[in-house]
Amino acid sequence: GESVGLHLPTLSVQEGDNSIINCAYSNSASDYFIWYKQESGKGPQFIIDIRSNMDKRQGQRVTVLLNKTVKHLSLQIAATQPGDSAVYFCAELKGTQSGGSYIPTFGRGTSLIVHP
Amino acid sequence: DAGVTQSPTHLIKTRGQQVTLRCSPKSGHDTVSWYQQALGQGPQFIFQYYEEEERQRGNFPDRFSGHQFPNYSSELNVNALLLGDSALYLCASRVFNSPLHFGNGTRLTVT
Repeated sequence: GESVGLHLPTLSVQEGDNSIINCAYSNSASDYFIWYKQESGKGPQFIIDIRSNMDKRQGQRVTVLLNKTVKHLSLQIAATQPGDSAVYFCAELKGTQSGGSYIPTFGRGTSLIVHP
Repeated sequence: DAGVTQSPTHLIKTRGQQVTLRCSPKSGHDTVSWYQQALGQGPQFIFQYYEEEERQRGNFPDRFSGHQFPNYSSELNVNALLLGDSALYLCASRVFNSPLHFGNGTRLTVT
């Protein structure tokens, strides 16, 4: 079946390094993708999104890359800080037959650990 | 401007009991979704409410039901609780296809 998954469950980096979190998706019909950050004891927080008609989008210290050919999504965090330590989820969104709003499907998540 | 608020934050129930979780959406949002997040997993979609009706539903049994009120707040009800229902229950709100805003969840433990 269709699924969203992550290549690495845990990523450890040093403070100041750049981090790259990867995500594979299998539904070629998905046309909207979102990255969420979930800190311990909190709900997921929106980081950045990208539509399938784009291959790159930049935010503050974050960049999302979309490669539709290999159905791969990545989140790059520049100059990683201890406050970036969290679980990161990618979510793919697809429309419904009823024309209702898109429902995100979440992968398992990657735990990012930033060492000072 | 308050974000999504959920109550209670923690709850302990016994197998077979019923539970009701509550959610107030972010101001200006009219669509509410509920997710179940097991430990170490991503959130799994339960259902979404808009205009007081269930619009989409995930792969959850009928024991899971919900309601949306005229002020857009929502409830999630789970009947005949099973041990496997222990999880973090997340409420999220949005306006149509805008990104979801999540609350901090209700941690449900079924013993």
